[in-house]
Amino acid sequence: GQQLNQSPQSMFIQEGEDVSMNCTSSSIFNTWLWYKQDPGEGPVLLIALYKAGELTSNGRLTAQFGITRKDSFLNISASIPSDVGIYFCAGLTSGTYKYIFGTGTRLKVLA
Amino acid sequence: NAGVTQTPKFQVLKTGQSMTLQCAQDMNHNSMYWYRQDPGMGLRLIYYSASEGTTDKGEVPNGYNVSRLNKREFSLRLESAAPSQTSVYFCASKVTNQPQHFGDGTRLSIL
Repeated sequence: GQQLNQSPQSMFIQEGEDVSMNCTSSSIFNTWLWYKQDPGEGPVLLIALYKAGELTSNGRLTAQFGITRKDSFLNISASIPSDVGIYFCAGLTSGTYKYIFGTGTRLKVLA
Repeated sequence: NAGVTQTPKFQVLKTGQSMTLQCAQDMNHNSMYWYRQDPGMGLRLIYYSASEGTTDKGEVPNGYNVSRLNKREFSLRLESAAPSQTSVYFCASKVTNQPQHFGDGTRLSIL
């Protein structure tokens, strides 16, 4: 089945550093979503993007909907230990109900 | 607010046994989804229900059946469990033009 290419697969960073991750697709999407998953829990929505070029922030998190509509980026500024988890992107094509999920970026923050 | 509730949280089955995973949402959402999550694979759609009374296959429907019992409930059934179905199963729901909300998952092991 189709899946998004998400990179990097994992990251180890020092507390206070900024983090960048991205998703790319061969298909055009009309919606991009970014989720975070903590161990033993379901994904929780961080940011939703609905328009090409859109830049949206949620606290220390900023996400962008790529101009080509085939990619999206998530940045986390000044990372803290509770940022640890797996971050997933998901794309949705207009007129469908099927979300396509990335394979996840596993983030570990070293205090 | 309960949101999306999945039961059970954990289950161990023997090969060939049957089981139904339950999902209920209290947000009056129209659409409901079942995903499985395997290491390194992200989330893969098993079945979804765009509205009460309708169900459609996702990427990986083989070996599963679903029932949209009413607007609140969407169950996933394994008729004859196989070791390849060992996974974490997530239910999600959404309303039109809004992102999905996920439950906390059911961890299923098949021996």
